[in-house]
Amino acid sequence: GIQVEQSPPDLILQEGANSTLRCNFSDSVNNLQWFHQNPWGQLINLFYIPSGTKQNGRLSATTVATERYSLLYISSSQTTDSGVYFCAVRLSGNTPLVFGKGTRLSVIA
Amino acid sequence: ETGVTQTPRHLVMGMTNKKSLKCEQHLGHNAMYWYKQSAKKPLELMFVYNFKEQTENNSVPSRFSPECPNSSHLFLHLHTLQPEDSALYLCASSQYMGLDNEQFFGPGTRLTVL
Repeated sequence: GIQVEQSPPDLILQEGANSTLRCNFSDSVNNLQWFHQNPWGQLINLFYIPSGTKQNGRLSATTVATERYSLLYISSSQTTDSGVYFCAVRLSGNTPLVFGKGTRLSVIA
Repeated sequence: ETGVTQTPRHLVMGMTNKKSLKCEQHLGHNAMYWYKQSAKKPLELMFVYNFKEQTENNSVPSRFSPECPNSSHLFLHLHTLQPEDSALYLCASSQYMGLDNEQFFGPGTRLTVL
């Protein structure tokens, strides 16, 4: 099946710093989502981005489908950005979303 | 608020108990999902329902029994669980199964089996 690899696995940032999280996938996909899981377990949708670039406030994401990767940019990080960031992809048709193992981000004041 | 609610949020049960987890979505979606998230493991898909029909059972033990009475509600019935079943159980929904559909998650039920 499709492989989804996220890097780095863990990241510690000083408040105000910028960061880039990466998601590599092993096959062509027709659906890619980024989620933020907060400390209480809630998965929050950040981006639905099978290709191209999107921005939402301090966050932006770029997916280069032909090269099988996606990047999530966090600028001017805040302590509330802490949590685990997941990338999930769908291969095609009726296949389910496949999740990466996540990047655990800790933003310290 | 994602439009997907789950109850209870926390559950502690003994191995001989029977309990049920409930999920409800207010998004008008037609596909619903159960996931299991154990400590330090990726999310594992358990079941998928599309238009109330089960389309995926990801080799889940029979002590987990799903039920989808309509497109808005999804249950997970639990019976004779093991301590290793302790995990966060997440429900999700999407407009349709497959195609280019964004999936939305509920807040989860944190289950502890004693």
